[in-house]
Amino acid sequence: GAGVSQSPSNKVTEKGKDVELRCDPISGHTALYWYRQSLGQGLEFLIYFQGNSAPDKSGLPSDRFSAERTGGSVSTLTIQRTQQEDSAVYLCASSLSSGLDTDTQYFGPGTRLTVL
Amino acid sequence: KNQVEQSPQSLIILEGKNCTLQCNYTVSPFSNLRWYKQDTGRGPVSLTIMTFSENTKSNGRYTATLDADTKQSSLHITASQLSDSASYICVVPQTGANNLFFGTGTRLTVIP
Repeated sequence: GAGVSQSPSNKVTEKGKDVELRCDPISGHTALYWYRQSLGQGLEFLIYFQGNSAPDKSGLPSDRFSAERTGGSVSTLTIQRTQQEDSAVYLCASSLSSGLDTDTQYFGPGTRLTVL
Repeated sequence: KNQVEQSPQSLIILEGKNCTLQCNYTVSPFSNLRWYKQDTGRGPVSLTIMTFSENTKSNGRYTATLDADTKQSSLHITASQLSDSASYICVVPQTGANNLFFGTGTRLTVIP
C-alpha cells in the first residue's frame, strides 16, 4: 500500500478482554513505532522496532501490553485484560531507518480502542 | 525533565488571516524539531523538520522558526484556509534515544 495501514479502525471491548491491534507499515520501512494518544493528551511512545533487533519496550505502560513484528513487516500490539484507562487511539508509524535525527515518520490512521 | 509545551491550546481564526503557534521544549540532547498536522480521525502528517542549525524553513503557507538558544519554535500559517483546521503538534526527538517527545498540540479552527 501507499501508506501505513492499521486495523481495525475502531474496537469496542469489555473490560478484562484481550485485544489485538494490527499495523502494516510502508513497504521497505525498517523502523516501526507504536504510540498511544489519549483524549486531550500528547502522543505517548509505547514500543519501537528496528529491523531484526530486539525492540525497545521502554514505553510500554504495563506487562499487559506486548507487541510483535513478524518478518520485519507487519506488527501486532496486544493488550491483555483491558482496563478502561486503556481507552485511547493507538497510532502506528514507520520510517525508512532508525535515524530519528533525520527520518520522517509516516503515521497510520490509528485504531480507536474503547474499553467499556 | 524532557518536555514539549505548546500554546495556545486552541485557536479560532477567520479564513484568510494569519496565525502563529508556539512550541517550547526542554528535550536534551537536541538535534531537530518537527511540526506535524493532524486532521480529526487521522494520523499526524509531517509538515517540516528543523535541525538545530536552521532558523527558518518554509513549506508553502507554513513557515517554521527555531531558536535553539531559547529552545523555542513557532509555526506561522499565512492566509489561512478552511482546510488548515486541524491539530498542530510539535515533536522533538531525544538524540541518541528511540524516543520522541510530543506536545499536546494546538487545535486550530479556521472559520469562513
